[in-house]
Amino acid sequence: AQSVTQLDSQVPVFEEAPVELRCNYSSSVSVYLFWYVQYPNQGLQLLLKYLSGSTLVKGINGFEAEFNKSQTSFHLRKPSVHISDTAEYFCAVIYSSRSARQLTFGSGTQLTVLP
Amino acid sequence: DGGITQSPKYLFRKEGQNVTLSCEQNLNHDAMYWYRQDPGQGLRLIYYSQIVNDFQKGDIAEGYSVSREKKESFPLTVTSAQKNPTAFYLCASSSVGPGGGAYQPQHFGDGTRLSIL
Repeated sequence: AQSVTQLDSQVPVFEEAPVELRCNYSSSVSVYLFWYVQYPNQGLQLLLKYLSGSTLVKGINGFEAEFNKSQTSFHLRKPSVHISDTAEYFCAVIYSSRSARQLTFGSGTQLTVLP
Repeated sequence: DGGITQSPKYLFRKEGQNVTLSCEQNLNHDAMYWYRQDPGQGLRLIYYSQIVNDFQKGDIAEGYSVSREKKESFPLTVTSAQKNPTAFYLCASSSVGPGGGAYQPQHFGDGTRLSIL
């Protein structure tokens, strides 16, 4: 079955430290990859996307992610986090073999930035 | 400003009652979606629509119904057949990529939280 796995449900990190949020997806010929952020009681905001081209993609708020096809991963990174980055982060994948535009979501990672 | 508006923000349902969640977008997007979010489970697709007067079931459509009479609107009805409706419901929309490609990011509303009285 096509799935998305976010390996860590909670990630606490101190302010100004680097962070990596991990995401793995089921092996597939063609995928499109996204990271979304959700603040409490709000909808999801797109952080970044990989559609094709360079495997290192840069997003908003200083986040970046690297597409690794051999390891079927799309980990999210930030070199120095701020208190305002505290939120839940979702990795999402469009598998080209599924019906058009259906996003498959991971279960989310709660990032908590500590002072 | 363009965006997606969901209303109401909070909704309460009595046993045996149907309730309808509103979703309106002014982004001129062709595709619209409804998701259900439960703690620790991410988002699961309920229904989606790629064009007016057409919609398809997602992974958890049982106990829900939708309509798409206008491009801008995609209301979701939670019927009495949905035995566990308490959740956060998110509506999203997206444009259609070149050649109908499935790679345009989805834009989300701020959600409706539904609870059982």
